[in-house]
Amino acid sequence: AQSVTQPDIHITVSEGASLELRCNYSYGATPYLFWYVQSPGQGLQLLLKYFSGDTLVQGIKGFEAEFKRSQSSFNLRKPSVHWSDAAEYFCAVGAQGYGNKLVFGAGTILRVKS
Amino acid sequence: DTAVSQTPKYLVTQMGNDKSIKCEQNLGHDTMYWYKQDSKKFLKIMFSYNNKELIINETVPNRFSPKSPDKAHLNLHINSLELGDSAVYFCASSPGTGARNQPQHFGDGTRLSIL
Repeated sequence: AQSVTQPDIHITVSEGASLELRCNYSYGATPYLFWYVQSPGQGLQLLLKYFSGDTLVQGIKGFEAEFKRSQSSFNLRKPSVHWSDAAEYFCAVGAQGYGNKLVFGAGTILRVKS
Repeated sequence: DTAVSQTPKYLVTQMGNDKSIKCEQNLGHDTMYWYKQDSKKFLKIMFSYNNKELIINETVPNRFSPKSPDKAHLNLHINSLELGDSAVYFCASSPGTGARNQPQHFGDGTRLSIL
């Protein structure tokens, strides 16, 4: 079965600093990978997705993520964090043969210091 | 302009009551979903419908009954509410089924609190 681990429950970074949020997945075949962001009281917004091809994917709001098959990872990065990036970030995995079922990680709360 | 809209936004009720949450999407998508986010923010799929047909039912208690009158609407009815049903329920939609058509559009959630 698929599973997703986000090792960091909370991360605090200074505004303008770089950011990396970790995500590890477990799945036997090539997964489809997603990062979502959730602001307080809001639904989830898709930041980016990986299906195949180039392992470095660009998303909205200046985010990018890199798929590393050897490490079963799909870490989210941003070179310079803005205060408005403070939110909760969820990594998710979907897989062929599982229809349209997504499995989510537990989320990482990002705090931004000014 | 809201793509996926849920009503109500907040729902406070007592144990044993029956309640419904409504969801509508104006994106022309074929597939709709209900997710439950618990107090630890863990998000899990409950149901998925494609063109009004149930395609995913994730061992949810049968007190939960989704209904899709048309492909733009997916409602969730809950009978005999229990304390453990307290959560935020999210509706979502996607263009179609298959892993490449994953939910990309979520509603803002309905916060259900059971007293």
